[in-house]
Amino acid sequence: DTAVSQTPKYLVTQMGNDKSIKCEQNLGHDTMYWYKQDSKKFLKIMFSYNNKELIINETVPNRFSPKSPDKAHLNLHINSLELGDSAVYFCASSDSSRNSPLHFGNGTRLTVT
Amino acid sequence: QKEVEQDPGPLSVPEGAIVSLNCTYSNSAFQYFMWYRQYSRKGPELLMYTYSSGNKEDGRFTAQVDKSSKYISLFIRDSQPSDSATYLCAMSPNTNAGKSTFGDGTTLTVKP
Repeated sequence: DTAVSQTPKYLVTQMGNDKSIKCEQNLGHDTMYWYKQDSKKFLKIMFSYNNKELIINETVPNRFSPKSPDKAHLNLHINSLELGDSAVYFCASSDSSRNSPLHFGNGTRLTVT
Repeated sequence: QKEVEQDPGPLSVPEGAIVSLNCTYSNSAFQYFMWYRQYSRKGPELLMYTYSSGNKEDGRFTAQVDKSSKYISLFIRDSQPSDSATYLCAMSPNTNAGKSTFGDGTTLTVKP
């Protein structure tokens, strides 16, 4: 039933490691996003894909690489993790043809030690 | 200066109180205004979505937009403990949801 699901829910890892977060939506939306929420609850967009094509790529270190195998999936791979990458990462989706607002997943809490 | 400023919290009120949550913005291009509610350890969920100036009501929630003052508010009547959450305002210049700019959020606690 979950509309936007992301895994894992929690991720604890050491500096320098490479990790991936997966996201899937079953809403039939054509656009998917990755957001980062810091400890102060500020939500900032990182990437947006529309029908598997990158349309928004905010100023994010190139250690972050999104991949969209199809329009229902958007994964986030992070290389050489740093302490400052610790945050909650949210996947979201929307339907650009119906001007729908964002539907968020429940987040992946990443802790880099 | 941030494009969207949200009243900082936290806010604590007794059950049954009327709650007012507020945001101001500087970008006059913003045309679409949203309020999201985020429970602890969950993703934000859309509460209200408005386009024009004026009021929009949905049950105990009223969203108010004043474009001339660049000010939006969310009112919660008869607040309940289940309303305890962080409330995020968001605004966008167009219908592209990815162009939304979020406020920093206000954490509300409603005490029984």
